[in-house]
Amino acid sequence: GAVVSQHPSRVICKSGTSVKIECRSLDFQATTMFWYRQFPKKSLMLMATSNEGSKATYEQGVEKDKFLINHASLTLSTLTVTSAHPEDSSFYICSARVARGGFRANEKLFFGSGTQLSVL
Amino acid sequence: QKEVEQNSGPLSVPEGAIASLNCTYSDRGSQSFFWYRQYSGKSPELIMFIYSNGDKEDGRFTAQLNKASQYVSLLIRDSQPSDSATYLCAVNRKDSSYKLIFGSGTRLLVRP
Repeated sequence: GAVVSQHPSRVICKSGTSVKIECRSLDFQATTMFWYRQFPKKSLMLMATSNEGSKATYEQGVEKDKFLINHASLTLSTLTVTSAHPEDSSFYICSARVARGGFRANEKLFFGSGTQLSVL
Repeated sequence: QKEVEQNSGPLSVPEGAIASLNCTYSDRGSQSFFWYRQYSGKSPELIMFIYSNGDKEDGRFTAQLNKASQYVSLLIRDSQPSDSATYLCAVNRKDSSYKLIFGSGTRLLVRP
């Protein structure tokens, strides 16, 4: 299957610093990328959707100035957690797919390996 | 009411048994339904998808969809210890066909 590379896999940072997470589609062009966060034993919560070449669409309750998303190319999207605080500690996962829409599009939705962020 | 509900488990079954995982959803307009498997600390991987009422079989896995009752289930036959994981049910959102809403997952333990 297609490969989505996400790194770093784990990051520990001090409160107030910014952290950048990269998500790359290695063998396909990702028209659409999604960013999720997941707390222990909880479901994946969609944070934002980014389509290449356009601004990210954030879900209700997600601060766009806090979680900066850039989808500059068809193979790379980045999530920057700005001025991170302990409550931002979570597992962040990206996913990518070729198609923009249609309910069948998620048949080809591929996930990155996730980033465990710990803010001290 | 949560949009996608799953029993958190753990569901414990002996090796070789059938594991039955259930999921209910609230949006009658949902059209696509997915089951993902997630090992601890790893990202989800797609197991099955189903769009029409009835059963869909793929190897040891069978997905069952009942839109009238708004539930979707996953059966795992001949369960193996390697099937021990959290299984996430995902349903597309009515407002956007390509965004998925995930349940919180059911943890499955297959005892050797």
